[in-house]
Parts: sequence; C-alpha cells; structure tokens
Amino acid sequence: LAKTTQPISMDSYEGQEVNITCSHNNIATNDYITWYQQFPSQGPRFIIQGYKTKVTNEVASLFIPADRKSSTLSLPRVSLSDTAVYYCLVEGGSQGNLIFGKGTKLSVKP
Amino acid sequence: GAGVSQSPRYKVAKRGQDVALRCDPISGHVSLFWYQQALGQGPEFLTYFQNEAQLDKSGLPSDRFFAERPEGSVSTLKIQRTQQEDSAVYLCASSFSNTEAFFGQGTRLTVV
Repeated sequence: LAKTTQPISMDSYEGQEVNITCSHNNIATNDYITWYQQFPSQGPRFIIQGYKTKVTNEVASLFIPADRKSSTLSLPRVSLSDTAVYYCLVEGGSQGNLIFGKGTKLSVKP
Repeated sequence: GAGVSQSPRYKVAKRGQDVALRCDPISGHVSLFWYQQALGQGPEFLTYFQNEAQLDKSGLPSDRFFAERPEGSVSTLKIQRTQQEDSAVYLCASSFSNTEAFFGQGTRLTVV
C-alpha cells in the first residue's frame, strides 16, 4: 500500500487560499487520491478525489502532477469553519481498505 | 436515516468486560469499514467487509477483536475482555463503490 506524507500542521488566515501537499511516491497505477476532512468529535468527511491532472468541486480543487507522486489540495478563501484535520489517502480501486495517515491540522485564524 | 448510524455514541466499560458496537450503514452500500481512532491520531484501519464477506481483517489488534456483518448490512464490532488500551473512538464507514466513503459519528469507548 502506498504511504502518504503530509505536513503535521498549517496555519492560515480567513480569506486566504490554503494549499496542502501530500507526497505518495509509491502510488500504483490503479490508485486514486482522495482527501477527507475531519472535525473534532465527528467522523471524516469526503472532500475530493482524483486520478490525474486537476479536479474541482464546490469546496476544493485537487492538483495532481503527471508523475502522480504528489498531490495538492487547494482550499480557496478559507474561513474559520475550515479549521480541521485534512487527510490524504491513496487507495486502489479494488483493495477496499482505506488507509489514513496522521493528517494535516489546519488552523484558520481571524 | 440517510447517513451511517453508530450506537452507542458513548460506552464506558470496566476492564475485562465484553462490549459490542453497532454500525448501520447507508442502505445499499456494499463496502463497510471499521476504524479505531485514538486521541490526536488518524483513524487506524481495523477491518473491511464487502457485503457479508470479511475481506480484510489485518488491522484487528488482537484476537479479542471480532467483527461480523452476517446479512451484508448491519455490522457489529465486538471486543472481548476490554483493556485500557482499547479506549478510543471506533468509526464505521460505508461506501457503494471505492469512491466516497461515508463515516458515522463514532462510538467513544472508555475502559476504566
């Protein structure tokens, strides 16, 4: 299973764009890259998933370079409510198990 | 309900007691996952079901942990002879395919 590495923590201010990069050097051909968000006392919540290039939805964008050895979650104009832990996962299509790392604790300040 | 439901939300067990944690996945979801999350840590994978088949139980920390999903819907995680190190939040998730997994709010187990 591909291992992921991401910063332990990040600080930002309201209204700024936040980019969290995740390294996954051993990603396999059939692996997808998925990001989850977790607030205290809640289960993780799916944010976005991609395979290559760029994916955008209503809450975030995901940038994946051609070699797919890293990915960057971009949160536009963060607010205080975006303070949470963000997890990057690399998952194979048929493997089933989702493996979480330690995540990145994002703190958004006013 | 529309989401993954876990019960109880909180459980206090005396050391040595057996506990059973329940997960009601979203209807129709084939895949079901159990995780253990210690304070300040990421969720640690325990086991995975596809319908009623337990395809991966490599994350179960000891033979005191047992999970089942007999009819391919509701799942139960059982911990026998609980120990203090079992204190954690136990999360259940379900998914229709290997895309988006939906998590419940978890069961916080405290072993005293």
